[in-house]
Amino acid sequence: QAVVTQEPSLTVSPGGTVTLTCGSSTGTVTSDHYPYWFQQKPGQTPWTLIYDTTNKHSWTPARFSGSLLGGKAALTLSGAQPEDEADYYCLLSYAGTRVFGGGTKLTVL
Amino acid sequence: EVQLVESGGGLVMPGGSLRLSCAASEFTFISASMNWVRQAPGKGLEWIGRIYSKTVRGTTVYAAPVKGRFTISRDDSKNMVYLQMNSLKIEDTAVYYCTAYLETTRSGDYWGLGTLVTVSP
Repeated sequence: QAVVTQEPSLTVSPGGTVTLTCGSSTGTVTSDHYPYWFQQKPGQTPWTLIYDTTNKHSWTPARFSGSLLGGKAALTLSGAQPEDEADYYCLLSYAGTRVFGGGTKLTVL
Repeated sequence: EVQLVESGGGLVMPGGSLRLSCAASEFTFISASMNWVRQAPGKGLEWIGRIYSKTVRGTTVYAAPVKGRFTISRDDSKNMVYLQMNSLKIEDTAVYYCTAYLETTRSGDYWGLGTLVTVSP
């Protein structure tokens, strides 16, 4: 089974920009992995921020964006807000099976 | 608005079985692929498996740790998806979520609130 890697933790200043990445043990991440990004706050259900690399839901704040960057999937937060402090998980698909990354704990400080 | 409500969680002994249910509403269920995801206490998310819509053959795919022990099924007449869990282990203790990917709009995943399964002697 593939292993999906994320930064364990990152810190961003309020109003700042940060990029979270999602790599695959099998090699370059492409749109064929249909990358997803989820946000989860303590005690809450996860919810989908980005699906299929770049697509946003109606509830996704405009400051979040998804892309492919340097062979990985990436989630960029531009203009961080205190309420963005949370755990972020990526998910990649491999011919039907799906694998989550270990998550990134984002601190806004 | 997509609604997913899981039920059936509870306390079960190691080696036991449990069936979780997920009731879906407010979307075209027959055209959705449904997933189960779990989260052990204090841990990250783990994808368990999915069942495709019948338009995509209704096939199932599972993660290695649960293959052969867990079975996902669906009843399109009731807008329900199920997770049958057998030979449960202590490490299966987790909150179990169902999620939906809508093939009609090619959007997802939508999440339920989860149900807690505790495997303990």
